Amino acid sequence: AQKITQTQPGMFVQEKEAVTLDCTYDTSDQSYGLFWYKQPSSGEMIFLIYQGSYDEQNATEGRYSLNFQKARKSANLVISASQLGDSAMYFCAMREVYNQGGKLIFGQGTELSVKP
Amino acid sequence: GAVVSQHPSRVICKSGTSVKIECRSLDFQATTMFWYRQFPKQSLMLMATSNEGSKATYEQGVEKDKFLINHASLTLSTLTVTSAHPEDSSFYICSARRAPGENQPQHFGDGTRLSIL
Repeated sequence: AQKITQTQPGMFVQEKEAVTLDCTYDTSDQSYGLFWYKQPSSGEMIFLIYQGSYDEQNATEGRYSLNFQKARKSANLVISASQLGDSAMYFCAMREVYNQGGKLIFGQGTELSVKP
Repeated sequence: GAVVSQHPSRVICKSGTSVKIECRSLDFQATTMFWYRQFPKQSLMLMATSNEGSKATYEQGVEKDKFLINHASLTLSTLTVTSAHPEDSSFYICSARRAPGENQPQHFGDGTRLSIL
């Protein structure tokens, strides 16, 4: 069974600094996808970034980048130049390519607080 | 703009009431939708996979007679919490994938906060 682990329940970062949110995963599949979502206090889930298991380069989307280390089974999210609006819950999720319809399994989440 | 619409956003009702939550894909057809439940400060727990035109697939431990799922059209899935009790109070959120492809993310509705008195 697949499993996603986020070991940081809460993180603090100073505005304009970079922060890394950890995510490790466990799967026996060779093909899978890794996603990061942001959930503000209002509750909506906002897609941030995707990394495929066969992607050789780390994914980047604006201020978000994914530090993908396949051998270590880790997919850490790096947020550069933190902004106050980045304060939210962040979830790492995995989808095995050949599972039922593409369901996502989520990690426990990390609550990020950006300090002014 | 929104890709998935969920309604209502908030429900407060008495114990014993059945509550229906709708999840609509706005500009695409979704043969598969997903229903999650989230307690405060916790992760999203997948409840079931909603399949258009067939029975939903429930995750282990989820009572299918308690949480009825109907996916009668390619753009609408409904979750009905039957005879709701205070322990059913939670944040329920649905999702769908807009396009096939392993790199396509799930798009989520804005969620429904259910409070059973």
